Amino acid sequence: ETGVTQSPTHLIKTRGQQVTLRCSSQSGHNTVSWYQQALGQGPQFIFQYYREEENGRGNFPPRFSGLQFPNYSSELNVNALELDDSALYLCASSLRLGGTETQYFGPGTRLLVL
Amino acid sequence: DAKTTQPNSMESNEEEPVHLPCNHSTISGTDYIHWYRQLPSQGPEYVIHGLTSNVNNRMASLAIAEDRKSSTLILHRATLRDAAVYYCILWVISNFGNEKLTFGTGTRLTIIP
Repeated sequence: ETGVTQSPTHLIKTRGQQVTLRCSSQSGHNTVSWYQQALGQGPQFIFQYYREEENGRGNFPPRFSGLQFPNYSSELNVNALELDDSALYLCASSLRLGGTETQYFGPGTRLLVL
Repeated sequence: DAKTTQPNSMESNEEEPVHLPCNHSTISGTDYIHWYRQLPSQGPEYVIHGLTSNVNNRMASLAIAEDRKSSTLILHRATLRDAAVYYCILWVISNFGNEKLTFGTGTRLTIIP
């Protein structure tokens, strides 16, 4: 049990729609990272927020956007959904102090785009 | 991104030790070696990490080669609950932020009862 929760657990959308996924981090953590995991693959880094500012982005288009709030929660927004966006979306929270860090993952949101 | 190489799959008998290898020949001096695992239908779970010395915790041990170009995750007595995909990841320290976990495809560990 990591203390990181995500909602919803499952979601079905159609192509072209928009979706918002939510994550609640562990208390005291200042960093949240979002990952996309396609079936049979390892998670791929989407972006990261540190103290409410975007602090790094993977190879994902601008229609993937996010927010981090002062209460440790975070959102991932995806506009103009495509079929290839069907995946498990994972958030991970951590405390960044410099040096290395441990990330604590939520259970994920499984998104299906039809 | 710093690269690791792992076998695609391994099998082990229940209650026996398991040694999961990882090669990271391009590791640099400040890169940490992390291991995560992902059980079926769950998010990844932190297992252990190290820099230069061998490390032990309640879940596993991490043996790091002297030249740091390879490491081995050791599960001392595998149980059925240890069946998972194990990821070996280099945490690259950066002065510019954007530090992250870069997952490969990992090693799928099957435990035989």
